Amino acid sequence: SAVISQKPSRDICQRGTSLTIQCQVDSQVTMMFWYRQQPGQSLTLIATANQGSEATYESGFVIDKFPISRPNLTFSTLTVSNMSPEDSSIYLCSVSSGTGDGDGYTFGSGTRLTVV
Amino acid sequence: GENVEQHPSTLSVQEGDSAVIKCTYSDSASNYFPWYKQELGKRPQLIIDIRSNVGEKKDQRIAVTLNKTAKHFSLHITETQPEDSAVYFCAALLSNSGYALNFGKGTSLLVTP
Repeated sequence: SAVISQKPSRDICQRGTSLTIQCQVDSQVTMMFWYRQQPGQSLTLIATANQGSEATYESGFVIDKFPISRPNLTFSTLTVSNMSPEDSSIYLCSVSSGTGDGDGYTFGSGTRLTVV
Repeated sequence: GENVEQHPSTLSVQEGDSAVIKCTYSDSASNYFPWYKQELGKRPQLIIDIRSNVGEKKDQRIAVTLNKTAKHFSLHITETQPEDSAVYFCAALLSNSGYALNFGKGTSLLVTP
């Protein structure tokens, strides 16, 4: 399975500011996914990022709030913009590094964001 | 899109007993069903998965069963140990679709000594 390095692992940010989260994968992957996990909750998909095209956002998430970059097949960033306390959550990236038949979905270690 | 229901939301068992967590899915085209274990403060870790061409898969104390007709799948943990305590998530996917995993809401399992 692919190994993902995600950073920062945690941050405390002032409201109104932005934070960019990075994920670096040790192999080339087509699809990268960004999730949000609020305390005690399940994982909610924010967007799917393909290299060379704009990210596809899920209902309730917009590009202006969560811009995503995917400059190559091993790297992606998620920015949380104009933060408010409601954005406090864990953000995780995920990739599928299997043979293409659905296996090998792995996760980064997560970014614990606290907005004050 | 796929909708995955998971229950129970919490489960408490005594060490040595079995634990069963059940999930149902809505999209009959889904063909890949993984289970993840998430310990507090850690990332979700894949513990077992099953594809739609088999009905059961076992890995030591963990097994998953799939009923395609009823569109449900279950995680079975036997001889539970305190280190099995964690949150477990089921997920469903149409493989090769380019789609992300759709997760259930999770089951918090507590194994008491």
